Amino acid sequence: GAVVSQHPSRVICKSGTSVKIECRSLDFQATTMFWYRQFPKQSLMLMATSNEGSKATYEQGVEKDKFLINHASLTLSTLTVTSAHPEDSSFYICSARPGLDNTGELFFGEGSRLTVL
Amino acid sequence: AQSVTQLDSQVPVFEEAPVELRCNYSSSVSVYLFWYVQYPNQGLQLLLKYLSGSTLVKGINGFEAEFNKSQTSFHLRKPSVHISDTAEYFCAVSPFQGAQKLVFGQGTRLTINP
Repeated sequence: GAVVSQHPSRVICKSGTSVKIECRSLDFQATTMFWYRQFPKQSLMLMATSNEGSKATYEQGVEKDKFLINHASLTLSTLTVTSAHPEDSSFYICSARPGLDNTGELFFGEGSRLTVL
Repeated sequence: AQSVTQLDSQVPVFEEAPVELRCNYSSSVSVYLFWYVQYPNQGLQLLLKYLSGSTLVKGINGFEAEFNKSQTSFHLRKPSVHISDTAEYFCAVSPFQGAQKLVFGQGTRLTINP
């Protein structure tokens, strides 16, 4: 099956710093990638849809200036949490869909746990 | 718009017993249906999916699910569970057309007791 890799798997940073999380599709091209946030013992909350070569589409209530998304190539999307604060601590998961797939199935990265001190 | 309801937030089961995790959905259009599993501190892995055809779908690790259109349900079953099945299970739907965003249920925590 298709493989999606996320890096880093864990990151600890000080309040006020910015953190970048990478999401790569290893064996397929992904014109669309999705970024989710997951709070402890809760479901996944879609943050934004990342489209290669264009601006990301953010879900209602997600601050686009806080969570910068860049999808510069067909295999890489990045999420940058700017000026991170403790309330941004969470598990962030990316997912991708092969370009020719129209069933809605997503392939997920391993997730990145962000802890802001 | 679509919504997914997983009726049980937690399901404790003894090892080798059968289990059913319930999922109901609401949608004004036809949808594809999925079950994903999440092990601690990991991403999601696809268990099975229903796209069309036979309403009984078999997936990995001995799981199966049955699509019931009249009841708008897609319950997940396994006849005999193992300790290694302890995980969080998510039901999700995606519309046939449009943005095809996956909409997830709240998740069900399956705990297998020895």
